[in-house]
Amino acid sequence: EIVLTQSPATLSLSPGERATLSCRASQSDSNYLAWYQQKPGQAPRLLIYDASNRATGIPDRFSGSGSGTDFTLTISSLEPEDFAFYYCQQRSNWPPMYTFGQGTKLEIK
Amino acid sequence: QVHLVQSGSELKKPGASVKVSCKASGYTFTTYAMNWVRQAPGQGLEWMGWINTNTGNPTYAQGFTGRFVFSLDTSVSTAYLQISSLKAEDTAVYYCARIYCTGGNCYKAFDLWGQGAMVTVSS
Repeated sequence: EIVLTQSPATLSLSPGERATLSCRASQSDSNYLAWYQQKPGQAPRLLIYDASNRATGIPDRFSGSGSGTDFTLTISSLEPEDFAFYYCQQRSNWPPMYTFGQGTKLEIK
Repeated sequence: QVHLVQSGSELKKPGASVKVSCKASGYTFTTYAMNWVRQAPGQGLEWMGWINTNTGNPTYAQGFTGRFVFSLDTSVSTAYLQISSLKAEDTAVYYCARIYCTGGNCYKAFDLWGQGAMVTVSS
């Protein structure tokens, strides 16, 4: 079973700064890697799918990259509404299942 | 517009059962599988498994076998999650979620989520 490890656990930045969030898989399986944003009391919101594709309606300050075991979510210039929790998720080829990382909290410095 | 609407919060005693519903609208229910995701208080997201809405065949993730049952009522476009023999550690928000489809293609990520159903297990 694949384990996804996100780092850092908490990232403290100011609006306007660049955020770089990491997601590392315990083994290389697929590039079906997604990123979600979640705010308290809300369902997760899909940001990125297939490692680097923005979902419908997602601002272009969000970008995803990586392949194999190392994936990155970058927010180019933080807006106040971007401070939230972020989760990566991978869908493995075999067995076909989804795994989430433990999350990164992006907080205002 | 497409929506997933879940049933409301539940307070149950240990050992009881609970059934959470997830009603789909705005699309053909049997076209897309339904996933279930758990989030314990202050914790991250856990994928519980999925159910084939065409055949009714469920697949459960590790740790969600035995007491957890996915089911359907396609006549009302609704998926269900039933948990039996509830324990305090089952206290969580339970989400249903559908895979992301756009431009005639579907992808292995979830973009349509229910609002979540809080299940609290306490004596």
